[in-house]
Amino acid sequence: DSGVTQTPKHLITATGQRVTLRCSPRSGDLSVYWYQQSLDQGLQFLIQYYNGEERAKGNILERFSAQQFPDLHSELNLSSLELGDSALYFCASSVRPGQGGLFFGEGSRLTVL
Amino acid sequence: DAKTTQPPSMDCAEGRAANLPCNHSTISGNEYVYWYRQIHSQGPQYIIHGLKNNETNEMASLIITEDRKSSTLILPHATLRDTAVYYCIVKSQAGTALIFGKGTTLSVSS
Repeated sequence: DSGVTQTPKHLITATGQRVTLRCSPRSGDLSVYWYQQSLDQGLQFLIQYYNGEERAKGNILERFSAQQFPDLHSELNLSSLELGDSALYFCASSVRPGQGGLFFGEGSRLTVL
Repeated sequence: DAKTTQPPSMDCAEGRAANLPCNHSTISGNEYVYWYRQIHSQGPQYIIHGLKNNETNEMASLIITEDRKSSTLILPHATLRDTAVYYCIVKSQAGTALIFGKGTTLSVSS
């Protein structure tokens, strides 16, 4: 158990819909990262937050957005969903950006039909 | 961040040591070597990281060559549960997120 909690574990929805994925980092970790893993793309970095502020952006689509709240949990919002958005979405946390290793949650599996 | 090169796959017999190589010939002086693994569709798991000295923890040992251009992750007594994709990543502490490549798929068999 990494200490990072993600909900929901599984989500099935239709094209065009909007979903929100939630992540609670390890106790004491200030930085949160989101990754997407689809079958043909491997692990893709989406976005990073540190203490509530956006720190870095990766390959995140404009239809996707995220935020980190004062209690340090984070949400990833995916809108206008397409079939190709079906993937595993992982959240990870670290004490501070670049410090030590990242600890990943078990992921949220999104299926878009 | 420097790029890394790993073999796409390796096999290991259960109980034997698994030695996973990684080349990072363009590594900079302030960049660390990180190892993670991902067991089928689970969240990636942090294993170990180091700068230039060899490191050991309860999971593995990391051997970094003196010129830092390559490293080896050693699982001393591989078990079936060590079957996973192993990722070697080079990153500075000041860098942002970890960028994952394709890694090495390690298959441990009895």
